[in-house]
Amino acid sequence: DQQVKQNSPSLSVQEGRISILNCDYTNSMFDYFLWYKKYPAEGPTFLISISSIKDKNEDGRFTVFLNKSAKHLSLHIVPSQPGDSAVYFCAASVDGGSQGNLIFGKGTKLSVKP
Amino acid sequence: DTGVSQDPRHKITKRGQNVTFRCDPISEHNRLYWYRQTLGQGPEFLTYFQNEAQLEKSRLLSDRFSAERPKGSFSTLEIQRTEQGDSAMYLCASSLDFMDNEQFFGPGTRLTVL
Repeated sequence: DQQVKQNSPSLSVQEGRISILNCDYTNSMFDYFLWYKKYPAEGPTFLISISSIKDKNEDGRFTVFLNKSAKHLSLHIVPSQPGDSAVYFCAASVDGGSQGNLIFGKGTKLSVKP
Repeated sequence: DTGVSQDPRHKITKRGQNVTFRCDPISEHNRLYWYRQTLGQGPEFLTYFQNEAQLEKSRLLSDRFSAERPKGSFSTLEIQRTEQGDSAMYLCASSLDFMDNEQFFGPGTRLTVL
C-alpha cells in the first residue's frame, strides 16, 4: 500500500502559467513533507519543505500548501518556466525526519511548453 | 564541490557477480542514507547510518545486501550474487542530524544485471 500518492503521472502547462502538483498521504503520523525535482540521469534535488505545524511555505516561485485534515499537499510553481520541466516527487517522514527514511510518491512529470 | 558523490555512475554486471558502490556524503553531514529507484517509481528507502552506526534497515534489504560506513564518512553498499531484479538506480543521500532537515542526494549509480 502506498502511503504517499501522486495520482497524476504527468502535467503539461504553458510557460508563464501556474503549475500545481498534488500529493496525498495516508499515514497521519507524517509530520514533515518535502518536494524534490529530478532531471534524467541525476539524483533528486531538494526544492522546498513544510512542517506539519505550518500550512504554507514559500520560496521564490515555489509555494507548498499543506491541508492536514485532508492529508493533502500541493506544490505551486508561478510563473512556470521551461527549465522547470522535470519529474517532481513528494516525500514524507515521521518525527520531523528523525526516524531516518523518507517515503516517496511515484512522481509527476511536469512539461512546461514555451 | 561539496555535494554528495557516488561511484561508479554506471555498472553492468552478470547475474551472480558481486558489486560494490561507494558514496561520499557532504562532509559535515553525519547521516547517510541509501535508496533504490526503479523505473516509474519513487526512491525506496534501504538503510541509513548515523555516523558509523547503521540504525535502520528496510525489509527490501535482503541478506545479499550489506552496507557499511566504517569511519562515519564514506559508505559502501555491496550486493552479493546479483539478480536481474537488482537492476535499478541506487541513490545515496546525506543530511544533518536534527529534525526538519532535508536530505541531499547524489547522482546515483545505475546498475544493470544481465
